[in-house]
Amino acid sequence: GENVEQHPSTLSVQEGDSAVIKCTYSDSASNYFPWYKQELGKRPQLIIDIRSNVGEKKDQRIAVTLNKTAKHFSLHITETQPEDSAVYFCAASDAGSARQLTFGSGTQLTVLP
Amino acid sequence: NAGVTQTPKFQVLKTGQSMTLQCAQDMNHNSMYWYRQDPGMGLRLIYYSASEGTTDKGEVPNGYNVSRLNKREFSLRLESAAPSQTSVYFCASSFRSRSTGDEQFFGPGTRLTVL
Repeated sequence: GENVEQHPSTLSVQEGDSAVIKCTYSDSASNYFPWYKQELGKRPQLIIDIRSNVGEKKDQRIAVTLNKTAKHFSLHITETQPEDSAVYFCAASDAGSARQLTFGSGTQLTVLP
Repeated sequence: NAGVTQTPKFQVLKTGQSMTLQCAQDMNHNSMYWYRQDPGMGLRLIYYSASEGTTDKGEVPNGYNVSRLNKREFSLRLESAAPSQTSVYFCASSFRSRSTGDEQFFGPGTRLTVL
């Protein structure tokens, strides 16, 4: 089955700096890569996703890049703000009927004021 | 729309007791999922239901059973709870289509402690 590794497990940045979180996956059949943000005590919420026919996707201060050859994808957050502090999870799935997601272990991002 | 709802929010069980976690969605989604979240391990898929009438095992199904009662509801049952099942349980749903994509919407979670 799919295996997703996520690094780093914790990340602290100064407000206004950029943050980068990286994930690798093992199954070459995976073609959908979402990123979820989870605030303390809350449910995970999708912030951005990318499909394997696209190399990069941006949404305001958030961007995701995908390298299919190397089987890795990254989340980039620019101009970080205190409200970006949360746990971020990457995930991967194939084109199966129910989109089984395999999640990374999470990155605790802390934005220091 | 309430989205995805789960009951109960909190539960404490003794080893060997049984219970059912309830999940419902009002978004007309086809697929529903049950995950558990443990510290440092992300979310792991327990069972999923691609469509009404079907259920399949995920990564960690041992000790659990599920029922897709109808299109809206998907329940998770622990027949004989064990301390290793102490976790936060999330239900999720999605509606796969070209226009709406594959986003999984999560419920608020159930925090379960097994003593």
